[in-house]
Formats: sequence, structure tokens, C-alpha cells
Amino acid sequence: DVKVTQSSRYLVKRTGEKVFLECVQDMDHENMFWYRQDPGLGLRLIYFSYDVKMKEKGDIPEGYSVSREKKERFSLILESASTNQTSMYLCASSLSLLALEGLRGTQYFGPGTRLLVL
Amino acid sequence: AQSVTQLDSQVPVFEEAPVELRCNYSSSVSVYLFWYVQYPNQGLQLLLKYLSGSTLVKGINGFEAEFNKSQTSFHLRKPSVHISDTAEYFCAVILSSGSARQLTFGSGTQLTVLP
Repeated sequence: DVKVTQSSRYLVKRTGEKVFLECVQDMDHENMFWYRQDPGLGLRLIYFSYDVKMKEKGDIPEGYSVSREKKERFSLILESASTNQTSMYLCASSLSLLALEGLRGTQYFGPGTRLLVL
Repeated sequence: AQSVTQLDSQVPVFEEAPVELRCNYSSSVSVYLFWYVQYPNQGLQLLLKYLSGSTLVKGINGFEAEFNKSQTSFHLRKPSVHISDTAEYFCAVILSSGSARQLTFGSGTQLTVLP
């Protein structure tokens, strides 16, 4: 069964702290994604990775960085947390679009991490 | 560039009534289309997807969606909703070309089923 896990469900941090959000998938997927979800804005892509050590900026990368040292793990880093980064963070993974029909494109999501920055 | 518009941010409906959640997309090339559901305090779960073939797609929990290329729409429907269908629903598209990786999501529609 497909599984994407995130290290924390809830996190409270102070302004200026360095924050690590971890995501692990056990499906051998090439692609991994980090989104933030805010009311009325839907999901916005922060960064994604299509292979180990490869990353690309999404729509809102400012204030974030990522790390993908192993295929199954994709980390989101807030170098210096700010209050406007209070949000729900969702991780997802997917197979390549070159995968078999029926499998391609579908993203599988983790349960989310609700981050509060004080 | 592709974009997704969910026209209704909130849809209240009575239990056992039919519902339609609207989704329109804009893309000049072929796309794959998805509907995801997010129950309270949970991550997103795939409801259904259209990749190719029949334009009427059936998903889990009695939902279905119809791909209409001429209207660039992918509306989600259910003939009779339950209280347990209360959730937020997201429409998403991805380019069908092999090099594309990004899903573009709509802003979401909150479906509230009333007793």
C-alpha cells in the first residue's frame, strides 16, 4: 500500500528558528513535492525534486530550501522561520510521467504538518 | 501556462441531494486531470483521474467526473451525497507531455452536507 509519512503532525516554533520538515515515501517514486496549503489559496508548490540531489523551485520558494540526499526522503527547510510561514505543509510523491498508463501523474500525499510560528 | 479554476469556494447541500463541483482549466496542450478530496485534519486523497479514453470517469465513494475538452471542464458529480462527504475538494491538472512534473491545483471547494 502506498505510504507517505511526515515527521510531525503539529509543530510550534519561534520566529528566527531553523525548521526541518521531513517526508518519507516507501514507493520508490522519482518525484517528490512540498506544498503549503492556506485557506482560500489551495495548494501552492514550494519545491519539487525529480531525482536524488535534484530540485526545482515551485511557485513560492522564497524563504525555503530543500534537500534530497536519498530517493525516499525529501526535506523542507525554513532557514529562519517567520510568522507568515504559519501554514499547513503537505508532502507528496509520484512516479514519472513515463510510467505505465494508470499510474502516471498521480500524486500521493502525506497527512500534513501544521506549523505555527510565533 | 496551465491554470485551474474552481468556481465555487463553498457548496452547501442537503443530505441525499445531488451535487456538482465545477472545475475549468486552461492549457494549450493535452492534460491529465485529477480530483482530490481532503477530509478534516487529513492529507489529500485521490478521488479519480482522467488520463485518456472514456470521458466519463468513475471514482471512489460514488463520485464521477466528465472531461469536456471543448469546454475545458472536468466537473465532479455525485447523485446523492452523505454527511460523510463533507470535505474540501481540489481539482488539479498536469501536462501530459513526458517532461512535465508539476500538478497545478485549483483553490478548492468546501462541500458541506447538511442533515
